[in-house]
Amino acid sequence: EVQLVESGGGLVQPGRSLRLSCVTSGFIFDDYGMHWVRQVPGKGLEWVSGISYNSESTAYADSVKGRFTITRDDAKRTLYLQMSRLTVEDTALYYCARDMAPAWDGMDVWGQGTTVTVSS
Amino acid sequence: QSVLTQPPSASGTPGQRVTISCSGSTSNIAYNYVYWYQQLPGTAPKLLIYKNNQRPSGVPDRFSGSKSGPSASLAISGLRSEDEADYYCTTWDDSLRGYVFGTGTKVTVL
Repeated sequence: EVQLVESGGGLVQPGRSLRLSCVTSGFIFDDYGMHWVRQVPGKGLEWVSGISYNSESTAYADSVKGRFTITRDDAKRTLYLQMSRLTVEDTALYYCARDMAPAWDGMDVWGQGTTVTVSS
Repeated sequence: QSVLTQPPSASGTPGQRVTISCSGSTSNIAYNYVYWYQQLPGTAPKLLIYKNNQRPSGVPDRFSGSKSGPSASLAISGLRSEDEADYYCTTWDDSLRGYVFGTGTKVTVL
């Protein structure tokens, strides 16, 4: 069974940093691209960032470009999102999602999410 | 705000057919695949349709997708109470160099 389990969320002050992790199982991790998608409670989905299967290609939403960094550790089957200079607008539930292909072919499997709250 | 526009709500009685539109542009839907997700309350999104009109295994054939130019649609036929959920479209945007999601549509079964 394919599983994605996010962690690392929590309460953080504006301007600080946080790193999210997504541990995966049940599939060949380094064959697939991966993504982060967030959702403010009661609001819609917002794609945040994606990374190709071999880490050679990454992409970011304009809202996080220059502040967030997506990486992956294939040996640990883990996806990361390093978030810096956080603002209250970054408060959301952050989902990890698997791409349907090595890169940029839509998202098929999603984790249950980890909550990030940015507040003073 | 999102570059993909969906109606905020749609409804129907059990057994009816409901259609949800997703309006984009030449930088996104027109030249890229569209994906549809169902999000039940308190749960993660679930893939319903990929590559415009393909259903993953396990998704009932009551769900179908189509695309024409810069717009796409999701149809739910034989509406059932368990179809009450939020539905989102998404696609790659060539100008933004990233994925964009639709504004979301809440489907209510009357």
